[in-house]
Amino acid sequence: GDSVTQMEGPVTLSEEAFLTINCTYTATGYPSLFWYVQYPGEGLQLLLKATKADDKGSNKGFEATYRKETTSFHLEKGSVQVSDSAVYFCALSERGAGGTSYGKLTFGQGTILTVHP
Amino acid sequence: SQTIHQWPATLVQPVGSPLSLECTVEGTSNPNLYWYRQAAGRGLQLLFYSVGIGQISSEVPQNLSASRPQDRQFILSSKKLLLSDSGFYLCAWAGQNWQFFGPGTRLTVL
Repeated sequence: GDSVTQMEGPVTLSEEAFLTINCTYTATGYPSLFWYVQYPGEGLQLLLKATKADDKGSNKGFEATYRKETTSFHLEKGSVQVSDSAVYFCALSERGAGGTSYGKLTFGQGTILTVHP
Repeated sequence: SQTIHQWPATLVQPVGSPLSLECTVEGTSNPNLYWYRQAAGRGLQLLFYSVGIGQISSEVPQNLSASRPQDRQFILSSKKLLLSDSGFYLCAWAGQNWQFFGPGTRLTVL
């Protein structure tokens, strides 16, 4: 079955440091890939997505590139802020033969990021 | 625009008591709806999904059940809660390419 593996956390950084959170996946089909963010006490918000190989998703300074050859979707940010402290989830959604998503998401275990001033 | 409501926001229940969590969606029709659970310190686990009224698929066997009495209403229930049912319950709606999540319900079973 499908699975998503994220780098172990927690990750603790100083403000303005470079961030990488690794994510690799296994899937039988041709999935769409997502990063979701969960701020303390809140639900999940979509951070960025990519739907095909070599697509780069970006939002709020975060980027991730869909790498089919390495089955990866690593999240990066050049300079983190204290406000980026949250839990980050990598996820995939299988796509049907017609190109539409089945909608069910498979999540990684989440990576806790703490940024200190 | 589409919005998802969940209530209650927080809930503390004794072991063995019943449960009913409600999720409603506005601004769309015939949505695919999902219930996820996030246990403390762990990732999200898909519990149920529904593609239409009365249509429920269970991903993980457990003492929880789900129902979809109306197009935009999705309910998570239990007849008798267990301690292991504690967690953060999230309802989600599937858009064209991704899912929108509700604010969640934090359930503590004592």
